[in-house]
Amino acid sequence: QSALTQPASVSGSPGQSITISCTGTSSDVGSYNLVSWYQQYAGKAPKLMIYEVTKRPSGVSDRFSGSKSGNTASLTISGLQAEDEADYYCCSYAGSSTVFGGGTKLTVL
Amino acid sequence: QVQLQESGPGLVKPSETLSLTCTVSGGSIFTYYWSWIRQSPGKGLELIGYIYNSGSTNYNPSLKSRVTISVDTSKNQFSLRLSSVTAADTAVYYCAGRSIVAASFDYWGQGTLVTVSS
Repeated sequence: QSALTQPASVSGSPGQSITISCTGTSSDVGSYNLVSWYQQYAGKAPKLMIYEVTKRPSGVSDRFSGSKSGNTASLTISGLQAEDEADYYCCSYAGSSTVFGGGTKLTVL
Repeated sequence: QVQLQESGPGLVKPSETLSLTCTVSGGSIFTYYWSWIRQSPGKGLELIGYIYNSGSTNYNPSLKSRVTISVDTSKNQFSLRLSSVTAADTAVYYCAGRSIVAASFDYWGQGTLVTVSS
């Protein structure tokens, strides 16, 4: 099972919106609405930010939103803040397996 | 609030078996798939596998021949054994609780660095 494809890095200024893409195949992202997104600060464990493509766990800011079109899922962060600077990973159920993206480093300029 | 804590040796010799245990507190061990995920230095996340309280397991095909995940419901613990390790197995190992319905990893341990070296 190949990893999902994410851009290595994205950047934005405070207050702006950014979108991180996560491209899979018809066997994973395209077949299941079971895409999740994780935020990871350096040296820390990942934290669930989005599940089932669009849903936010309790306590996660509504500045974070998810979507999907075909084989590509996306994470959008609006009103960018300095604290959003972190690595972001997507993940998709794929039937008998689960696959992660390679991660995207978000830099807040 | 569910909390997870990994424990085990931080240094393992090549060709030996890596063994880690995860203790679950603040929630029932019967309500999630209990997972092991690793992250090699500077790299991304890799699912090693997961187990349900019934003992049913699902392993990453690339590691399946070397991995065993088990659960001890009486102790609220689950464990990972990875045999015949090499330097390529050096990583931070996380235990995590995976939602049965959403397939998301809702809860994570803090992670433990395991180095494979003689």
